[in-house]
Amino acid sequence: AQSVTQLDSHVSVSEGTPVLLRCNYSSSYSPSLFWYVQHPNKGLQLLLKYTSAATLVKGINGFEAEFKKSETSFHLTKPSAHMSDAAEYFCVVTRGSGSARQLTFGSGTQLTVLP
Amino acid sequence: GAGVSQSPSNKVTEKGKDVELRCDPISGHTALYWYRQSLGQGLEFLIYFQGNSAPDKSGLPSDRFSAERTGGSVSTLTIQRTQQEDSAVYLCASSLVLAGGIPYEQYFGPGTRLTVT
Repeated sequence: AQSVTQLDSHVSVSEGTPVLLRCNYSSSYSPSLFWYVQHPNKGLQLLLKYTSAATLVKGINGFEAEFKKSETSFHLTKPSAHMSDAAEYFCVVTRGSGSARQLTFGSGTQLTVLP
Repeated sequence: GAGVSQSPSNKVTEKGKDVELRCDPISGHTALYWYRQSLGQGLEFLIYFQGNSAPDKSGLPSDRFSAERTGGSVSTLTIQRTQQEDSAVYLCASSLVLAGGIPYEQYFGPGTRLTVT
């Protein structure tokens, strides 16, 4: 079975300060991991994905995540928060077998950026 | 290009009525997925299609829920005898088929907000 745990349901940061959204995963084999973002009243958008090519993954809007197998973690970071980063963020792992993989979502982290 | 589209965007129905939710995937995407996003339950997988067949229906919460896909394109999620706990946002996603062990990105539609009164 595969699962993800997002350790913080809410994170607040000031604009211009670093962002850290934490995610731990559980997987019986090498997982594919993703971070998705959902802005209010908008659809889910892929930020970045890890598929075993490189442990440090760079995504859109200055976000990046590092896959750490020893810690079973895939934390999302950004050096400097922007007001437009305020949204809900989901850590996601694939599960299933065959040629298509359904996603298992974490419970989400709501990011608030304070002026 | 056109993304995943879903209709209707909002649906309000009375308890006990049947509803149909539609998803138009990105052209050429052979894999199609349905998810449900509800308060208290987060985002949960319902069913996926590979072409017109559904290899995994394990996420469907009850036998009131069914889905079909025709022509390898449009999919319809049907909920019979709706209950208040069915109120949620229903999301559809599509993707290319897995290749070389690496899953392709799933592209999500805007969702259908279902409210059962």
